[in-house]
Amino acid sequence: ETGVTQSPTHLIKTRGQQVTLRCSSQSGHNTVSWYQQALGQGPQFIFQYYREEENGRGNFPPRFSGLQFPNYSSELNVNALELDDSALYLCASTPDSSTDTQYFGPGTRLTVL
Amino acid sequence: GDSVTQMEGPVTLSEEAFLTINCTYTATGYPSLFWYVQYPGEGLQLLLKATKADDKGSNKGFEATYRKETTSFHLEKGSVQVSDSAVYFCALSLQGAQKLVFGQGTRLTINP
Repeated sequence: ETGVTQSPTHLIKTRGQQVTLRCSSQSGHNTVSWYQQALGQGPQFIFQYYREEENGRGNFPPRFSGLQFPNYSSELNVNALELDDSALYLCASTPDSSTDTQYFGPGTRLTVL
Repeated sequence: GDSVTQMEGPVTLSEEAFLTINCTYTATGYPSLFWYVQYPGEGLQLLLKATKADDKGSNKGFEATYRKETTSFHLEKGSVQVSDSAVYFCALSLQGAQKLVFGQGTRLTINP
């Protein structure tokens, strides 16, 4: 049990729509990272937030955006969905006491039709 | 750039067999190294980690040693169980970067 929760568990959208995925971590975890895991692949880093500011970004287009809130929750927003956005989206939080270790939530499975 | 390469899967073993999953890395600095495990339909669970050369991470009978000279972090277990069936990911994190770079994963199946 990592204390990281994500919602929804599964989601189906159509091409061109917008989606918001949510993550909640625990107190003392001020860093949150989002990853995209395509089927049969390792997770790919999307971006990271620290105390509500973006703190690093991977090779993803601007239609992938995020927010972090003071209550240790965060959102991943994806606009203009494409078929290739179908994947498992993972949120990970980092405790301030151990900044090299990330704890993952169960993920949101997004299917784009 | 920074990268992680794992042995190709899938790997199929019998219960109580010895397990090795190879992992090598390329990094510009001195990374921390991790093994994560993903059970079917779930997210990633941290299995073990090592933060500097010659450190050994261990958990649940699994071990991996940080070998700087061979840039490797191979995962081993002396006697696997059916419940160890999962996908295993090797990953690195550079100090200050805090993002994880993952290998492609190795699917392990243990038969009774």
